[in-house]
Amino acid sequence: AQSVSQHNHHVILSEAASLELGCNYSYGGTVNLFWYVQYPGQHLQLLLKYFSGDPLVKGIKGFEAEFIKSKFSFNLRKPSVQWSDTAEYFCAVIFMDTGRRALTFGSGTRLQVQP
Amino acid sequence: DAGVTQSPTHLIKTRGQQVTLRCSPKSGHDTVSWYQQALGQGPQFIFQYYEEEERQRGNFPDRFSGHQFPNYSSELNVNALLLGDSALYLCASSLGAGGKIFEQYFGPGTRLTVT
Repeated sequence: AQSVSQHNHHVILSEAASLELGCNYSYGGTVNLFWYVQYPGQHLQLLLKYFSGDPLVKGIKGFEAEFIKSKFSFNLRKPSVQWSDTAEYFCAVIFMDTGRRALTFGSGTRLQVQP
Repeated sequence: DAGVTQSPTHLIKTRGQQVTLRCSPKSGHDTVSWYQQALGQGPQFIFQYYEEEERQRGNFPDRFSGHQFPNYSSELNVNALLLGDSALYLCASSLGAGGKIFEQYFGPGTRLTVT
């Protein structure tokens, strides 16, 4: 069965540090890729998405992600984090060739940014 | 432009009871998907409704059922509640159900506690 893995469960950074969160999926077909963020007490918000084209995609709040097809990866990056980036981050994938238009989520990474 | 709305916000039920959760999709969206998010985990796909029919289903028992109304709003019903059904139930709306691009927007969720 197709799956999504986020290996970093809890990340603690100081403000201005660089961030990279890993996301891997187990599937060789066509995918739609997403990163969602869940700030404390708020609902899931779409951070960025990849459907096709340039594998480097930019999202809101200075986040970007790179799709590396050969590595089945879609890692999230930010050059300099802020305290307000403290949140839970979820990688999600739609495995298009299965015909199912449902998101498969990773288990999430809790990011804590210390001032 | 109203986003995805869900009701109620919180709900406490007893084992064996039945519950109904409600969702109104984002304006212009016609597809509703339901997800269950247990504590500390990523959301898991329950099912998806399009044109008032259940189109796709995740790995959930028949105790979980749903409905979509002509105005695209949707209900999730859970019968014979178990303690393990305690979770945040998320509704996501999108446009279309079979296209190449499938972007979902989430509501704030309903927190269900089964005692």
